[in-house]
Amino acid sequence: NAGVTQTPKFRVLKTGQSMTLLCAQDMNHEYMYWYRQDPGMGLRLIHYSVGEGTTAKGEVPDGYNVSRLKKQNFLLGLESAAPSQTSVYFCASATGTEAFFGQGTRLTVV
Amino acid sequence: DQQVKQNSPSLSVQEGRISILNCDYTNSMFDYFLWYKKYPAEGPTFLISISSIKDKNEDGRFTVFLNKSAKHLSLHIVPSQPGDSAVYFCAASNQGAQKLVFGQGTRLTINP
Repeated sequence: NAGVTQTPKFRVLKTGQSMTLLCAQDMNHEYMYWYRQDPGMGLRLIHYSVGEGTTAKGEVPDGYNVSRLKKQNFLLGLESAAPSQTSVYFCASATGTEAFFGQGTRLTVV
Repeated sequence: DQQVKQNSPSLSVQEGRISILNCDYTNSMFDYFLWYKKYPAEGPTFLISISSIKDKNEDGRFTVFLNKSAKHLSLHIVPSQPGDSAVYFCAASNQGAQKLVFGQGTRLTINP
């Protein structure tokens, strides 16, 4: 079982460039999430989705956009990358009692 | 405003002894709590959870204790093994496993 798969695993961007992170889950979960992990700050929720076609803002949404056109996919976009967006990004999908995480995307903005 | 706090950035324990990881929360609406384990270059993996209707949940070597009046939970690992060396995150929610709020993490090192 693949579970939650994130693409790409690593990326280096120049300031001002754009990119999209892809998250795919094969567990038929309704709920999907994007978190970022920074040193000393744990995981912080960027955006989330409670079902196909829906998205909502989390704790730190500024500078990011998301889309959930298909139930199994949740895309995170950076329109104009900034050095402050250097982080490790984790996607998750969830049932009522457990959240399953992808392996992470390490993004560096220079 | 950190709603979930893990005040110990790191913890070192001898193999075979008990590891105790602590977590405090401020939001009284939280009613579901989880512990995740994370190895380098991997995503967090679920370890154990507890609902606010319980004060203890046990799964093998792992036990989570919840003290609602103190807004405190702890994870006990006994006996500790070298493979337990990882970063442990406490998480909380008022919607089951939805919209989890995470603590900063505690790096546990098990020494031989």
